[in-house]
Amino acid sequence: DSGVTQTPKHLITATGQRVTLRCSPRSGDLSVYWYQQSLDQGLQFLIQYYNGEERAKGNILERFSAQQFPDLHSELNLSSLELGDSALYFCASSRSQIQETQYFGPGTRLLVL
Amino acid sequence: QQQVKQSPQSLIVQKGGISIINCAYENTAFDYFPWYQQFPGKGPALLIAIRPDVSEKKEGRFTISFNKSAKQFSLHIMDSQPGDSATYFCAASYNQGGKLIFGQGTELSVKP
Repeated sequence: DSGVTQTPKHLITATGQRVTLRCSPRSGDLSVYWYQQSLDQGLQFLIQYYNGEERAKGNILERFSAQQFPDLHSELNLSSLELGDSALYFCASSRSQIQETQYFGPGTRLLVL
Repeated sequence: QQQVKQSPQSLIVQKGGISIINCAYENTAFDYFPWYQQFPGKGPALLIAIRPDVSEKKEGRFTISFNKSAKQFSLHIMDSQPGDSATYFCAASYNQGGKLIFGQGTELSVKP
């Protein structure tokens, strides 16, 4: 158990809908990262937050947004969902905002029908 | 330039054998190279990591070999066990940045 929690575990929704994925980092970790894992794209970095502020952005679509709250939990919002958004979404956390071990949560499996 | 290329895609090894997974990168700004292990239904977990100032790092049965001039690094799993069967990802990141650039993954199967 990495200490990172993600909810929900599974999510089934329809095209055009909006969903919110939630992540609670390990106790004491200030950085949260979101990654998307799909068969064709592999593991791709989406976005990083550090202590409530956005720190880095990857291949995140404009339909996607995220935020980190004062209690350090983070939410990833996916809107106008398309079939191709079906994937595993992982949250990871680390102590600081630079290179060090990232601890991954168990992921949220999103299926868009 | 942002890519990390990993091979092979899949690997079958007999119990007790050596598993070798290779990765190559282009961006010379990368200076942190971790390997992650992922079991089905789980998130990736850090296995071992190396920085380019050393050519080899060993932790138990797992060794990273790093060739800075060739911009390549590899994971060796000695005495491979069925419990090592998982997907392995190499990754890279650069200084002052936390985001990881992952390779495509290698599905390792260790046969008893």
